[in-house]
Amino acid sequence: KAGVTQTPRYLIKTRGQQVTLSCSPISGHRSVSWYQQTPGQGLQFLFEYFSETQRNKGNFPGRFSGRQFSNSRSEMNVSTLELGDSALYLCASSLEGTSGGQETQYFGPGTRLLVL
Amino acid sequence: QKEVEQNSGPLSVPEGAIASLNCTYSDRVSQSFFWYRQYSGKSPELIMSIYSNGDKEDGRFTAQLNKASQYVSLLIRDSQPSDSATYLCAVNSNTGNQFYFGTGTSLTVIP
Repeated sequence: KAGVTQTPRYLIKTRGQQVTLSCSPISGHRSVSWYQQTPGQGLQFLFEYFSETQRNKGNFPGRFSGRQFSNSRSEMNVSTLELGDSALYLCASSLEGTSGGQETQYFGPGTRLLVL
Repeated sequence: QKEVEQNSGPLSVPEGAIASLNCTYSDRVSQSFFWYRQYSGKSPELIMSIYSNGDKEDGRFTAQLNKASQYVSLLIRDSQPSDSATYLCAVNSNTGNQFYFGTGTSLTVIP
């Protein structure tokens, strides 16, 4: 079974621009979560989507948004990019994503975003 | 604010030794705990999951969970240079499918 895929793998943008990242979960997985990883902050939860609905949201500004399609593929968008948005953006999928559940989240390879 | 705390390290052990990685969490009702390994420049990959108090062994890896003390650990026996990586502790919140990650412990196994 194919793993989680993310595109693009690398991206360079300038301040003020916007960016869209894409994630395709493992086949059959319906929950998709997004994380931002920086050396100083570690893995920070952005949001989780299930059945095309945002089910959980982390503590990030409204410039960060996402959506999920009927085939469970997900996109995240960052508008008005800032230098501090430079990070590795990771997508993770799980089957149903139950609260406190025993399902594992499987990570994609990530998109490395550099904002200049 | 649910928190997961790990010693950032770096932790260095000689090849063949036991590496011990520790993690504490603040949410007393958390039920599911995971250890991920992340090589430099790569994404996290699951090593172990544990849900019940006690020990769980998988090859050279043993996860230990003590819910009363809100403590979870990972032991790596017969450490190999290929084990050199950052190890992330994760807790699945009971209030939504939200994983909380520690900042990771950097492990170096010296040949």
